[in-house]
Parts: sequence; structure tokens; C-alpha cells
Amino acid sequence: DAGVTQSPTHLIKTRGQQVTLRCSPKSGHDTVSWYQQALGQGPQFIFQYYEEEERQRGNFPDRFSGHQFPNYSSELNVNALLLGDSALYLCASSFGTANTGELFFGEGSRLTVL
Amino acid sequence: LAKTTQPISMDSYEGQEVNITCSHNNIATNDYITWYQQFPSQGPRFIIQGYKTKVTNEVASLFIPADRKSSTLSLPRVSLSDTAVYYCLVGEYGNKLVFGAGTILRVKS
Repeated sequence: DAGVTQSPTHLIKTRGQQVTLRCSPKSGHDTVSWYQQALGQGPQFIFQYYEEEERQRGNFPDRFSGHQFPNYSSELNVNALLLGDSALYLCASSFGTANTGELFFGEGSRLTVL
Repeated sequence: LAKTTQPISMDSYEGQEVNITCSHNNIATNDYITWYQQFPSQGPRFIIQGYKTKVTNEVASLFIPADRKSSTLSLPRVSLSDTAVYYCLVGEYGNKLVFGAGTILRVKS
């Protein structure tokens, strides 16, 4: 049973470019959350998708957008990249919006903006 | 969202029991307490979750006092492979869990 898979694992972009990161949730999960983790800091919540809609959003600008597909996979898009967007982007999956349970995280996509 | 406070770092030796305490004074009635472990360049991994009193699983115990304003993660007989960052989270599951800076645990031989 595959866990959460993310792609690409590493990528390098330049300022002003756009990037798309992809996530496939753990089998049986229908909810995907995205986190940004800068070096030496804890993950910061970006947004959460459930039933193909953004359900929750953290304190991130509109340059960060996402999408969830009917098969529950998800994409994170970041436009007009800034140097400060360099980070590890983590995808986490879960089942529904139950009050208990755990988030399953992928290994992340390491984005470097030059 | 309830804010959490944890020690920045802790040192221990192999075979010892490690207790990491997290303070969450404004925890809400519906909030659960969850702990995650993270190794460098990997995603966090769920350790344990609880609401009140004591929860134990195969890797850790979680102690929560009656007022729920703090919690303690207990790792029995740590090994070098337990060296990692440990995060305490408080919130309703699925409700944009907020990670703090975490506690860096260093286990020495």
C-alpha cells in the first residue's frame, strides 16, 4: 500500500517563475493538506482540499493556489516565485474531517528559488 | 487556535526515558493533542494523539492532566535513532493543524 507520494523531489527555479508540485494521497484518503517548511522551522499550513474544494487556508498570499482532482490527488501552484519561497513543501493526506486520527505526510518537494 | 510552547532542545543518552512537556494554556474543548516526529529532509510522522488522561502505544506514552493545559510525551529507553525534532500540536483534526518550532532531541551514546 503506497503512502503519500510527491513529485518532483527536488527542483530549482528562478525568481518570477511558476511552479507546480504534485501529491498523491495514501490509498483510501480523500483529504489533502499542503505545508511549507523553511529550513530550521516547523511546517506552516498552506491550505487543505476536500471534495475538490479548498476548505481551510493558512496565512499565505494568493500566489499560492491549489487543486484537487476527482481521484483525490492534488497540485500546489506557486506563481511569481520569490527567494523566500525556497522551502520543503509537504503534502499530507487524511480521511474525511473526523475529529481524531493522523495525518500521513509525504517526503516533500524541495524547492530552491534562485 | 491554541498556541503551544515546547523546549527548544533536549539532550539524552541511549537507554534513558525522555519526557518532553508541551504547554497549551488556551486549549479548546474540542481540541486534541497530537505529537509528530520529524527526521531531516523527511515529512513528519505521527507518534501519538490524546484528549485526556493517558494514552499509550507501542512507541510512546502521552500524559494529559485534568486541566489539559499541558501534556507530556514520554519516550521509553531512547536510542540514537530517536534523534529528531518532536512537535506538539493542538487543534481539531483537519482544522489546519499548526506546527510550532518543535523540540530538537539529541540522543547520545
